[in-house]
Amino acid sequence: AQSVTQLDSHVSVSEGTPVLLRCNYSSSYSPSLFWYVQHPNKGLQLLLKYTSAATLVKGINGFEAEFKKSETSFHLTKPSAHMSDAAEYFCVLSGAGSYQLTFGKGTKLSVIP
Amino acid sequence: DTAVSQTPKYLVTQMGNDKSIKCEQNLGHDTMYWYKQDSKKFLKIMFSYNNKELIINETVPNRFSPKSPDKAHLNLHINSLELGDSAVYFCASSFSQGAGNTIYFGEGSWLTVV
Repeated sequence: AQSVTQLDSHVSVSEGTPVLLRCNYSSSYSPSLFWYVQHPNKGLQLLLKYTSAATLVKGINGFEAEFKKSETSFHLTKPSAHMSDAAEYFCVLSGAGSYQLTFGKGTKLSVIP
Repeated sequence: DTAVSQTPKYLVTQMGNDKSIKCEQNLGHDTMYWYKQDSKKFLKIMFSYNNKELIINETVPNRFSPKSPDKAHLNLHINSLELGDSAVYFCASSFSQGAGNTIYFGEGSWLTVV
């Protein structure tokens, strides 16, 4: 069985300060991990993904995530938050096949001007 | 060029009606999905088709019937709509081979049953 835990349901940061969205996973297989972002009334957009190559993954819009096997974590970071980053973020785990996706419950990011 | 497109985006209908949501992808993927997002934003897979064959059929009422006429299309038909069916339905697609293939999502269809 596999699972994804997003440790914070809501994160609030000031514009220009760093963002940290935390994700832990559990998987019997070598995992592939994704971060998706969902803006209000929009679909899910891929931010970045890890598939057993470099453990530090860079994504779009200045986001990056580090895969830490020893900690079973895949936290998402950004050095400086922008107002347009306010959205719902999902950490997603893929197991043996791409259709075996497990979604975290999401973290809502609020950015305060 | 929209990669995964679904229609309609918004749908308001009465209980008991039958409705369909259409989905098309132009990415050349061989696998398509329907996901349901509830009011708490939780995403749950409903169905998955690979090369027009049903490969995932989660515990979903049989009022929901997917149809895949070809690899590029996966439609969702819902009979006898109930209030609890109100949700956002996302179509998605990917290549099936190998773990870690990116799944591409449509913009969602907001279904409200009144």
